[in-house]
Amino acid sequence: DAKTTQPNSMESNEEEPVHLPCNHSTISGTDYIHWYRQLPSQGPEYVIHGLTSNVNNRMASLAIAEDRKSSTLILHRATLRDAAVYYCILRDEETSGSRLTFGEGTQLTVNP
Amino acid sequence: AAGVIQSPRHLIKEKRETATLKCYPIPRHDTVYWYQQGPGQDPQFLISFYEKMQSDKGSIPDRFSAQQFSDYHSELNMSSLELGDSALYFCASSLGGQENTEAFFGQGTRLTVV
Repeated sequence: DAKTTQPNSMESNEEEPVHLPCNHSTISGTDYIHWYRQLPSQGPEYVIHGLTSNVNNRMASLAIAEDRKSSTLILHRATLRDAAVYYCILRDEETSGSRLTFGEGTQLTVNP
Repeated sequence: AAGVIQSPRHLIKEKRETATLKCYPIPRHDTVYWYQQGPGQDPQFLISFYEKMQSDKGSIPDRFSAQQFSDYHSELNMSSLELGDSALYFCASSLGGQENTEAFFGQGTRLTVV
């Protein structure tokens, strides 16, 4: 499976934007970039996914580099509820089946 | 909106006993995934089913088995339990298992083996 690299931890202040980076230099042309997050003692939660173009939804935005070797998850206004572990996952049914492979995500701390 | 339902939420078993975990996917979802998350670890993929057939297999011990039934619910059967099996077990469901679909996770079953 293509590997992703994320910082172990990041810190933000409430109501400020947060940019969570992810490097995936070995990404293949058919890999989708998914982001999930896991709040303490809860199951992972889908955030957003994309292939080539930037994506927006009610939770976040996903900015994908032109060469697709990196991406950034953007939380426009962090809240205390956004404190979680954020996972950047590459998903390609042909090479990794239907599974989501969780690596070492980024622990986001939001300060009041 | 209906979510993925897992039961039981908590389970305590002794070593060498068996356990059955149940997962009820979101209505109309045809794909179910099982994950194991040990203390301080990231979720590890165990197995998945699409339309009642096994679609993918990860690091699931031979002591574990799973199936998806005609109503799309799934059960994870765990035998000869070991202390190391103590973990959170998550089930997720999706509509199709393709790479461009999102998976919805349940709240998990916390299994403690004593």
